Amino acid sequence: GIQVEQSPPDLILQEGANSTLRCNFSDSVNNLQWFHQNPWGQLINLFYIPSGTKQNGRLSATTVATERYSLLYISSSQTTDSGVYFCAVGRETSGSRLTFGEGTQLTVNP
Amino acid sequence: IAGITQAPTSQILAAGRRMTLRCTQDMRHNAMYWYRQDLGLGLRLIHYSNTAGTTGKGEVPDGYSVSRANTDDFPLTLASAVPSQTSVYFCASSDSGASHYGYTFGSGTRLTVV
Repeated sequence: GIQVEQSPPDLILQEGANSTLRCNFSDSVNNLQWFHQNPWGQLINLFYIPSGTKQNGRLSATTVATERYSLLYISSSQTTDSGVYFCAVGRETSGSRLTFGEGTQLTVNP
Repeated sequence: IAGITQAPTSQILAAGRRMTLRCTQDMRHNAMYWYRQDLGLGLRLIHYSNTAGTTGKGEVPDGYSVSRANTDDFPLTLASAVPSQTSVYFCASSDSGASHYGYTFGSGTRLTVV
């Protein structure tokens, strides 16, 4: 099956810092989503971004499908950004099913 | 309710017992999924359903069964629970007929098999 690798596995920031999270995948995809899992375990969809660039407030994401990677940018981080960020991908042959990476654990300190 | 409701929130279950985890959505999404989350392994797909009346196996289906009698409900059954099924279980849904397949997740069920 498709492999999804996220880096870094752990990241510690001071409030106000910027960060970039990376997602590499091993095959062509037509579905790529970023999720945030907060410290209480709730999973929230951040972006559906199989290609191109999107922005939502302090968060933005870019997927370069031809090079098989996606980046999630967090600017001016806040303590509420803490949690685990997951990248998940799907191939056309998989319908809408997603394969998840192991996530990046982000801790933002005040 | 709004979104996806999972029940129970948590459960301690004796090994060998049968257990059904409930999942209900009110968004009329056609596709639904069950994932399990284990430390260090991310989320892994157990079973899925593209539309009411159809189901399929995911990455880790052994020991689990599902049914999709209608659009809203997608229960997951453990026929005879084993300790390795201790995990957090998430139900999700998506609308593959929409402009994108963005997932909505439930709040999860924490299951401990002893």
